Amino acid sequence: QQQVKQSPQSLIVQKGGISIINCAYENTAFDYFPWYQQFPGKGPALLIAIRPDVSEKKEGRFTISFNKSAKQFSLHIMDSQPGDSATYFCAASDNYGQNFVFGPGTRLSVLP
Amino acid sequence: DAGITQSPRHKVTETGTPVTLRCHQTENHRYMYWYRQDPGHGLRLIHYSYGVKDTDKGEVSDGYSVSRSKTEDFLLTLESATSSQTSVYFCAIRRQGESAQGYTFGSGTRLTVV
Repeated sequence: QQQVKQSPQSLIVQKGGISIINCAYENTAFDYFPWYQQFPGKGPALLIAIRPDVSEKKEGRFTISFNKSAKQFSLHIMDSQPGDSATYFCAASDNYGQNFVFGPGTRLSVLP
Repeated sequence: DAGITQSPRHKVTETGTPVTLRCHQTENHRYMYWYRQDPGHGLRLIHYSYGVKDTDKGEVSDGYSVSRSKTEDFLLTLESATSSQTSVYFCAIRRQGESAQGYTFGSGTRLTVV
Protein backbone atom coordinates (compact mmCIF):
# COMPACT_ATOMS: atom_id res chain seq x y z
CA GLN A 1 0.00 0.00 0.00
CA GLN A 2 1.68 3.12 -1.24
CA GLN A 3 1.05 6.01 1.11
CA VAL A 4 3.11 8.53 -0.85
CA LYS A 5 2.77 8.81 -4.61
CA GLN A 6 5.53 10.45 -6.64
CA SER A 7 5.75 11.61 -10.23
CA PRO A 8 7.29 11.59 -12.73
CA GLN A 9 9.25 8.36 -12.57
CA SER A 10 12.00 9.94 -14.63
CA LEU A 11 12.76 13.47 -15.76
CA ILE A 12 15.15 14.94 -18.29
CA VAL A 13 15.93 18.65 -18.08
CA GLN A 14 18.34 20.90 -19.92
CA LYS A 15 21.03 22.70 -17.95
CA GLY A 16 19.62 25.91 -16.54
CA GLY A 17 16.04 24.68 -16.63
CA ILE A 18 13.61 24.05 -13.79
CA SER A 19 13.08 20.52 -12.51
CA ILE A 20 9.76 19.81 -10.81
CA ILE A 21 8.91 16.63 -8.93
CA ASN A 22 5.50 16.10 -7.39
CA CYS A 23 4.30 14.03 -4.47
CA ALA A 24 0.89 13.33 -2.98
CA TYR A 25 -0.07 11.71 0.27
CA GLU A 26 -3.22 10.34 1.85
CA ASN A 27 -2.57 10.21 5.57
CA THR A 28 -3.61 13.51 7.13
CA ALA A 29 -1.59 12.64 10.22
CA PHE A 30 1.65 13.24 8.32
CA ASP A 31 3.39 16.30 9.71
CA TYR A 32 6.88 16.31 8.25
CA PHE A 33 7.86 16.11 4.59
CA PRO A 34 11.52 15.69 3.63
CA TRP A 35 13.15 15.22 0.27
CA TYR A 36 16.16 12.97 -0.19
CA GLN A 37 18.77 13.01 -2.94
CA GLN A 38 20.61 9.84 -3.92
CA PHE A 39 23.63 9.53 -6.17
CA PRO A 40 24.56 6.15 -7.70
CA GLY A 41 26.28 3.86 -5.23
CA LYS A 42 25.42 6.08 -2.28
CA GLY A 43 22.73 6.17 0.36
CA PRO A 44 19.98 8.80 0.17
CA ALA A 45 20.87 12.11 1.81
CA LEU A 46 18.47 14.63 3.32
CA LEU A 47 18.12 17.58 0.96
CA ILE A 48 15.37 19.81 2.31
CA ALA A 49 12.26 19.36 4.44
CA ILE A 50 9.04 21.18 5.29
CA ARG A 51 6.33 21.13 7.92
CA PRO A 52 2.66 21.75 7.11
CA ASP A 53 2.52 25.10 8.89
CA VAL A 54 4.30 26.79 5.96
CA SER A 55 3.49 26.70 2.25
CA GLU A 56 7.01 27.07 0.91
CA LYS A 57 10.60 26.56 1.97
CA LYS A 58 13.63 27.58 -0.03
CA GLU A 59 17.25 26.56 0.38
CA GLY A 60 19.49 27.83 -2.39
CA ARG A 61 18.23 26.48 -5.71
CA PHE A 62 15.90 24.00 -4.02
CA THR A 63 12.34 24.90 -3.04
CA ILE A 64 9.55 22.82 -1.53
CA SER A 65 5.99 23.94 -2.22
CA PHE A 66 3.32 22.52 0.07
CA ASN A 67 -0.44 22.42 -0.43
CA LYS A 68 -2.07 21.08 2.70
CA SER A 69 -5.65 21.10 1.40
CA ALA A 70 -4.67 19.13 -1.70
CA LYS A 71 -2.29 16.91 0.28
CA GLN A 72 0.45 17.56 -2.23
CA PHE A 73 3.99 18.83 -2.11
CA SER A 74 6.62 19.37 -4.75
CA LEU A 75 10.33 19.94 -5.18
CA HIS A 76 11.52 22.63 -7.55
CA ILE A 77 15.16 22.77 -8.62
CA MET A 78 15.95 26.10 -10.19
CA ASP A 79 18.82 26.55 -12.65
CA SER A 80 19.29 22.78 -12.80
CA GLN A 81 22.88 21.60 -13.18
CA PRO A 82 24.37 18.31 -14.43
CA GLY A 83 25.56 17.72 -10.85
CA ASP A 84 21.92 17.59 -9.78
CA SER A 85 21.48 14.39 -11.78
CA ALA A 86 20.38 11.88 -9.14
CA THR A 87 17.35 10.03 -7.85
CA TYR A 88 15.05 12.08 -5.64
CA PHE A 89 12.72 10.62 -3.04
CA CYS A 90 9.94 12.41 -1.25
CA ALA A 91 8.94 11.13 2.16
CA ALA A 92 6.43 11.76 4.91
CA SER A 93 6.15 10.98 8.56
CA ASP A 94 3.79 11.47 11.44
CA ASN A 95 4.41 11.93 15.13
CA TYR A 96 7.22 14.38 14.45
CA GLY A 97 9.31 11.92 12.49
CA GLN A 98 8.50 8.61 14.12
CA ASN A 99 8.71 6.53 10.94
CA PHE A 100 9.04 7.69 7.38
CA VAL A 101 7.21 6.50 4.29
CA PHE A 102 8.99 7.06 0.99
CA GLY A 103 7.77 7.71 -2.52
CA PRO A 104 9.08 5.42 -5.29
CA GLY A 105 11.64 7.95 -6.50
CA THR A 106 12.31 10.14 -9.54
CA ARG A 107 15.43 9.75 -11.63
CA LEU A 108 16.54 13.21 -12.76
CA SER A 109 18.97 13.70 -15.62
CA VAL A 110 20.22 17.20 -16.34
CA LEU A 111 21.74 17.48 -19.80
CA PRO A 112 24.79 19.75 -20.26
CA ASP B 1 28.74 8.45 6.07
CA ALA B 2 28.15 10.55 9.18
CA GLY B 3 29.00 7.73 11.62
CA ILE B 4 27.18 4.84 9.96
CA THR B 5 29.04 1.87 8.55
CA GLN B 6 27.44 -1.03 6.74
CA SER B 7 29.19 -4.31 6.12
CA PRO B 8 29.72 -6.01 3.83
CA ARG B 9 29.30 -3.55 0.94
CA HIS B 10 28.72 -6.35 -1.55
CA LYS B 11 27.78 -9.98 -1.09
CA VAL B 12 26.82 -12.86 -3.35
CA THR B 13 25.21 -15.83 -1.67
CA GLU B 14 23.39 -18.98 -2.63
CA THR B 15 19.70 -19.63 -2.24
CA GLY B 16 18.88 -21.19 1.11
CA THR B 17 21.91 -19.93 3.00
CA PRO B 18 21.66 -17.59 5.98
CA VAL B 19 23.07 -14.10 5.57
CA THR B 20 23.73 -11.40 8.17
CA LEU B 21 24.24 -7.75 7.35
CA ARG B 22 25.71 -5.39 9.90
CA CYS B 23 25.05 -1.74 10.62
CA HIS B 24 27.31 0.11 13.03
CA GLN B 25 26.82 3.66 14.29
CA THR B 26 29.17 5.78 16.35
CA GLU B 27 26.74 8.51 17.46
CA ASN B 28 24.60 6.73 20.06
CA HIS B 29 21.27 7.25 18.28
CA ARG B 30 18.31 5.41 19.69
CA TYR B 31 16.45 4.68 16.46
CA MET B 32 17.92 2.50 13.71
CA TYR B 33 16.27 1.16 10.57
CA TRP B 34 16.78 -1.37 7.81
CA TYR B 35 15.37 -0.61 4.38
CA ARG B 36 15.58 -2.38 1.06
CA GLN B 37 15.66 -0.50 -2.22
CA ASP B 38 14.31 -1.97 -5.42
CA PRO B 39 13.54 -0.32 -8.77
CA GLY B 40 10.00 1.00 -8.87
CA HIS B 41 9.47 0.49 -5.15
CA GLY B 42 11.69 3.11 -3.63
CA LEU B 43 12.70 2.42 -0.05
CA ARG B 44 10.69 -0.09 1.94
CA LEU B 45 11.06 -0.58 5.66
CA ILE B 46 12.06 -4.07 6.79
CA HIS B 47 12.56 -3.70 10.54
CA TYR B 48 13.45 -0.94 12.93
CA SER B 49 14.76 -0.62 16.46
CA TYR B 50 13.95 1.94 19.12
CA GLY B 51 16.50 0.74 21.65
CA VAL B 52 18.63 -2.17 22.76
CA LYS B 53 16.61 -5.36 22.33
CA ASP B 54 13.59 -3.30 21.21
CA THR B 55 12.65 -3.98 17.61
CA ASP B 56 9.55 -3.96 15.47
CA LYS B 57 8.46 -5.09 12.02
CA GLY B 58 8.16 -2.89 8.99
CA GLU B 59 6.31 -3.18 5.71
CA VAL B 60 8.34 -6.07 4.24
CA SER B 61 9.57 -8.06 7.24
CA ASP B 62 8.78 -11.60 6.05
CA GLY B 63 11.97 -13.66 5.73
CA TYR B 64 14.03 -11.22 7.79
CA SER B 65 14.97 -10.98 11.44
CA VAL B 66 16.95 -8.38 13.35
CA SER B 67 18.87 -8.07 16.56
CA ARG B 68 20.22 -5.18 18.56
CA SER B 69 22.28 -6.25 21.57
CA LYS B 70 24.23 -2.97 21.70
CA THR B 71 23.21 0.60 20.90
CA GLU B 72 25.79 0.85 18.15
CA ASP B 73 25.01 -2.35 16.24
CA PHE B 74 21.87 -3.37 14.35
CA LEU B 75 22.02 -6.71 12.54
CA LEU B 76 19.75 -7.87 9.73
CA THR B 77 19.54 -11.62 9.11
CA LEU B 78 18.06 -13.40 6.14
CA GLU B 79 17.27 -16.79 7.64
CA SER B 80 17.25 -18.62 4.30
CA ALA B 81 18.06 -16.33 1.41
CA THR B 82 15.82 -16.36 -1.67
CA SER B 83 16.26 -14.73 -5.07
CA SER B 84 13.50 -12.24 -4.21
CA GLN B 85 15.77 -10.87 -1.51
CA THR B 86 18.31 -9.72 -4.07
CA SER B 87 18.35 -6.01 -3.38
CA VAL B 88 20.30 -3.08 -2.02
CA TYR B 89 19.93 -2.82 1.75
CA PHE B 90 20.29 0.45 3.60
CA CYS B 91 20.65 1.06 7.27
CA ALA B 92 19.57 4.41 8.67
CA ILE B 93 19.61 6.29 11.93
CA ARG B 94 17.07 8.90 12.90
CA ARG B 95 18.35 12.26 13.93
CA GLN B 96 16.35 14.50 16.21
CA GLY B 97 16.48 18.22 16.56
CA GLU B 98 14.95 21.07 14.66
CA SER B 99 17.73 21.42 12.15
CA ALA B 100 18.62 17.82 11.57
CA GLN B 101 15.43 15.81 11.72
CA GLY B 102 15.30 12.98 9.29
CA TYR B 103 17.25 9.90 8.48
CA THR B 104 20.95 9.52 7.83
CA PHE B 105 21.62 6.53 5.64
CA GLY B 106 24.62 4.29 5.32
CA SER B 107 26.21 3.56 1.97
CA GLY B 108 24.28 0.36 1.46
CA THR B 109 24.93 -3.35 0.98
CA ARG B 110 24.31 -4.84 -2.44
CA LEU B 111 23.14 -8.42 -1.93
CA THR B 112 22.78 -10.89 -4.75
CA VAL B 113 21.14 -14.26 -4.12
CA VAL B 114 21.92 -16.81 -6.84
